[in-house]
Amino acid sequence: GENVEQHPSTLSVQEGDSAVIKCTYSDSASNYFPWYKQELGKGPQLIIDIRSNVGEKKDQRIAVTLNKTAKHFSLHITETQPEDSAVYFCAASSGSSNTGKLIFGQGTTLQVKP
Amino acid sequence: DAGVIQSPRHEVTEMGQEVTLRCKPISGHDYLFWYRQTMMRGLELLIYFNNNVPIDDSGMPEDRFSAKMPNASFSTLKIQPSEPRDSAVYFCASSLMAGTSAYEQYFGPGTRLTVT
Repeated sequence: GENVEQHPSTLSVQEGDSAVIKCTYSDSASNYFPWYKQELGKGPQLIIDIRSNVGEKKDQRIAVTLNKTAKHFSLHITETQPEDSAVYFCAASSGSSNTGKLIFGQGTTLQVKP
Repeated sequence: DAGVIQSPRHEVTEMGQEVTLRCKPISGHDYLFWYRQTMMRGLELLIYFNNNVPIDDSGMPEDRFSAKMPNASFSTLKIQPSEPRDSAVYFCASSLMAGTSAYEQYFGPGTRLTVT
């Protein structure tokens, strides 16, 4: 079935360092790949996404890359700050046409140490 | 827009009681999703609707769970009878499957349910 694997499950970095979270997906028909940030006590918030017609997208300190051949995509956070500490989820659209459904990874807990 | 609205934010109930969670999606969105989040199982999709019609309820754990969407601006998730293992955070999300924003899901703040 449809599956999204996310690694690592936890990540600890020093403030100012970069953080990378990786995801792989199983369905080659997936064409939309969002990333969500969830802070304690809140709902997941969409922070960046990428569609299959591009390979990379950047928004200030965050960037996402997509390799459709290998079926993996990654989130890159540069110059990390303590407020980046949160749980991050990747997701991939369900391969079935226009279902609106997303398949989520298991989440990565990022800790940025001051 | 106020975003996705969920109520109540916290619910504490005793085993065997009926629980009703409520969601108001973003105006104009045509998809609504109910998720459950626990430490053990992560974020699970329970059911989703398109234009108020249930499309896939394969994630609903058992017959004790039911969901309805009587109109485009309101949905409920009901648990009857509730059990301690139902304790979790329940999220509602909505999206608009059109144009360049297709698939973008926006989550509500969640309802933290505790069943004692």
